[in-house]
Amino acid sequence: DAGVIQSPRHEVTEMGQEVTLRCKPISGHDYLFWYRQTMMRGLELLIYFNNNVPIDDSGMPEDRFSAKMPNASFSTLKIQPSEPRDSAVYFCASRSNTGHEQFFGPGTRLTVL
Amino acid sequence: RKEVEQDPGPFNVPEGATVAFNCTYSNSASQSFFWYRQDCRKEPKLLMSVYSSGNEDGRFTAQLNRASQYISLLIRDSKLSDSATYLCVVNMAGNQFYFGTGTSLTVIP
Repeated sequence: DAGVIQSPRHEVTEMGQEVTLRCKPISGHDYLFWYRQTMMRGLELLIYFNNNVPIDDSGMPEDRFSAKMPNASFSTLKIQPSEPRDSAVYFCASRSNTGHEQFFGPGTRLTVL
Repeated sequence: RKEVEQDPGPFNVPEGATVAFNCTYSNSASQSFFWYRQDCRKEPKLLMSVYSSGNEDGRFTAQLNRASQYISLLIRDSKLSDSATYLCVVNMAGNQFYFGTGTSLTVIP
């Protein structure tokens, strides 16, 4: 099993640019989570989907952030426009309907200059 | 107030030592509890779930104290490979998982 796949692994962009992060969950997993990790705040849940439907987006910081899951094998997190304070590691995770364990992807390290 | 609080450390211990981490949570309605391990510049991975009766997995023991709202992780006979950040995770109803900021452990030869 390939595990959760994220791309890109690293992204450096300038303030004001649009950033799109991508995630492929583990096949058969019904839940997909987007997290952001910083030194100060740790891991924060941004949004999660169940069967491709957004269930809770209360963690999305503001309207500049949006997430979609057009099908069971793909999700995107978009930041437009990006700001330096968005610099963080963004993790995608998935889990099955029957277990508690969340399987994390390798993360995308985002730097906004 | 944060949902989950951990001592960030760092904990620097010699090989073979026993080390314990605590984590407190604020919501008494929390339902399930976990410890995740995160290596430097890697993703978090589940280390173990924490059950009310306490549970052990080799050198690792996890305990839950609902009355005082804390969970603990004990590592016996520390190995160099145990060096990592340990994240306390608390689950409310549904899929609200709250992660602590992590406790850093370095095991020294």
